[in-house]
Amino acid sequence: AQSVTQPDIHITVSEGASLELRCNYSYGATPYLFWYVQSPGQGLQLLLKYFSGDTLVQGIKGFEAEFKRSQSSFNLRKPSVHWSDAAEYFCAVGERGSQGNLIFGKGTKLSVKP
Amino acid sequence: DSGVTQTPKHLITATGQRVTLRCSPRSGDLSVYWYQQSLDQGLQFLIQYYNGEERAKGNILERFSAQQFPDLHSELNLSSLELGDSALYFCASSVAKEAYNSPLHFGNGTRLTVT
Repeated sequence: AQSVTQPDIHITVSEGASLELRCNYSYGATPYLFWYVQSPGQGLQLLLKYFSGDTLVQGIKGFEAEFKRSQSSFNLRKPSVHWSDAAEYFCAVGERGSQGNLIFGKGTKLSVKP
Repeated sequence: DSGVTQTPKHLITATGQRVTLRCSPRSGDLSVYWYQQSLDQGLQFLIQYYNGEERAKGNILERFSAQQFPDLHSELNLSSLELGDSALYFCASSVAKEAYNSPLHFGNGTRLTVT
């Protein structure tokens, strides 16, 4: 069965520091991978997605993610974190022919220290 | 602003009651998805409608039902409510039939509290 694991429930980084949020997936076929962000009191917003091609994808707000098939990972990175990046981040995977719904990880909450 | 509208924002009700959550998708989107978000289960897919027809079912209880109307808005009906149904319920919409094929646009959710 498809599954998505985000090993870190909560991460705290200092403003200006780099960030990496981990995501591992379990999937048979070529996955379609996504990162969403949820700010307090808001719905989820798409940061970036990977379908095929270049394994390093750029997203909004200065985020990027790298697909590594050998490690079944799709980690999210940002070189310099801003206080406004404090939110919860969700990795998700989809599959062609799976009736189309996405499987979400349980999320990583990011706190940013001044 | 995602363009997806959910009402009400908050709902407090008693066990055994029935409630209806409403979702208006983004203009032009034909797919509507319902998700339940709780602390212990995370974000769970409930059901999807595409252009008025049910397309996919996830972990939706038999006490829950949904429909999508001709104007594409959707309603999620929750009945015989239990304490464990307390959660944040999200609606999302997209242009395509398949969730992987186009971004999901999420509403701000309805927080349901069952007392």
